[in-house]
Amino acid sequence: QLMLTQSPSASASLGASVKLTCTLSSGHSNYAIAWHQQQPAKGPRLLMKVNSDGSHNKGDGIPDRFSGSSSGAERYLTISSLQSEDEADYYCQTWGTGIHVVFGGGTKLTVL
Amino acid sequence: EVQLVESGGDLVQPGRSLRLSCAASGFTFRDHVMHWVRQAPGKGLEWVSGISWASETIDYADSVKGRFTISRDNAKSSLYLQMNSLRAEDTAFYYCAKDVGNTGAMYFDSWGRGTLVTVSS
Repeated sequence: QLMLTQSPSASASLGASVKLTCTLSSGHSNYAIAWHQQQPAKGPRLLMKVNSDGSHNKGDGIPDRFSGSSSGAERYLTISSLQSEDEADYYCQTWGTGIHVVFGGGTKLTVL
Repeated sequence: EVQLVESGGDLVQPGRSLRLSCAASGFTFRDHVMHWVRQAPGKGLEWVSGISWASETIDYADSVKGRFTISRDNAKSSLYLQMNSLRAEDTAFYYCAKDVGNTGAMYFDSWGRGTLVTVSS
């Protein structure tokens, strides 16, 4: 069954870097995923798509501080030079056959 | 600029029905798969349903299958979600989302701001 696993929380200091992880379920390690950010009391927005080879395509207006990478069944979102507005929930999302879509449980990022 | 504007959210009693709408603009609506995603208070995102550009492929989350119906009107650039037999656990913000794909799901590149559905007696 296609599933995505994320750590519930992460934290890092202002100006530092943080790497969030999204893990694909067994048998799905070649799937691409997308990262979405949801700031408090706002709707989600696309950050980027991350392919199994680590290449990524960012959404419109996403700063260079955000980057994506891959290793095996893991897909990463790295945020460098953390700013206060990066404090948000981050969700990974992938897709199966047909129209079916799967979300990870989300990671709440705290900027210290 | 892509805009997705949801409407129709309300307070309804358990067992009743509600119809959500999403008005799309700023892109060629008929070229894209569209989805509904919901978020219960304090919880994560949950995919609800998706529909291909010509409505030939439709799918639902198990939690709403048999109760919710997704549809679209390409001439009006609008997406709909008919929700029947509503339950307390359907209480959530409901978001309309645009997919980059047109026949199968891929990923969402635009989201609406959401509309709140509250199911309570």
